Amino acid sequence: KNEVEQSPQNLTAQEGEFITINCSYSVGISALHWLQQHPGGGIVSLFMLSSGKKKHGRLIATINIQEKHSSLHITASHPRDSAVYICAVEDNQFYFGTGTSLTVIP
Amino acid sequence: DGGITQSPKYLFRKEGQNVTLSCEQNLNHDAMYWYRQDPGQGLRLIYYSQIVNDFQKGDIAEGYSVSREKKESFPLTVTSAQKNPTAFYLCASSPYLGTGVGSPLHFGNGTRLTVT
Repeated sequence: KNEVEQSPQNLTAQEGEFITINCSYSVGISALHWLQQHPGGGIVSLFMLSSGKKKHGRLIATINIQEKHSSLHITASHPRDSAVYICAVEDNQFYFGTGTSLTVIP
Repeated sequence: DGGITQSPKYLFRKEGQNVTLSCEQNLNHDAMYWYRQDPGQGLRLIYYSQIVNDFQKGDIAEGYSVSREKKESFPLTVTSAQKNPTAFYLCASSPYLGTGVGSPLHFGNGTRLTVT
């Protein structure tokens, strides 16, 4: 049973394209996290949100609590955005999606 | 700068040997976690600790052991009982856990363990 489902699993985009990654979850949560994992393996936190929308530079994260769905958008994508993006939800522990591997081609 | 340090980055061991992975944080976080990452799977929880001298098993604790003698340190031992130990191991921390309010999650850079 997967508490967190992400789509797509893999995504290739041309530089400059608008990108959307989706996350659906099945448990009650206190927060949803978007994480970024680069090829070296380290993971950094991009967003933590429990309602509405957050924006940081070219990245936007939204969440719909009623529908149990979140999206991560990347505007004007760039090759340096190439990474694995992981959705995680938090209640009494953290549950992780399997990640979306994004490749942005120059 | 505050953060989580995992060492070593790469580790090679022979089958049948125990090995200990280091995780140190200077973020003053109460909660610490060990996750295992395998290709095509989400992060799976091995052990977590919410306070010094206390820890709980996660979903895949068999063949692993931990200690939490200091707030800053949460080492993971992969024992010879772990049937498939080759994997990427990530340590993480958060200020708290399970309070009903979101808790920022911080990760180390991981240790890639290969057992042959």
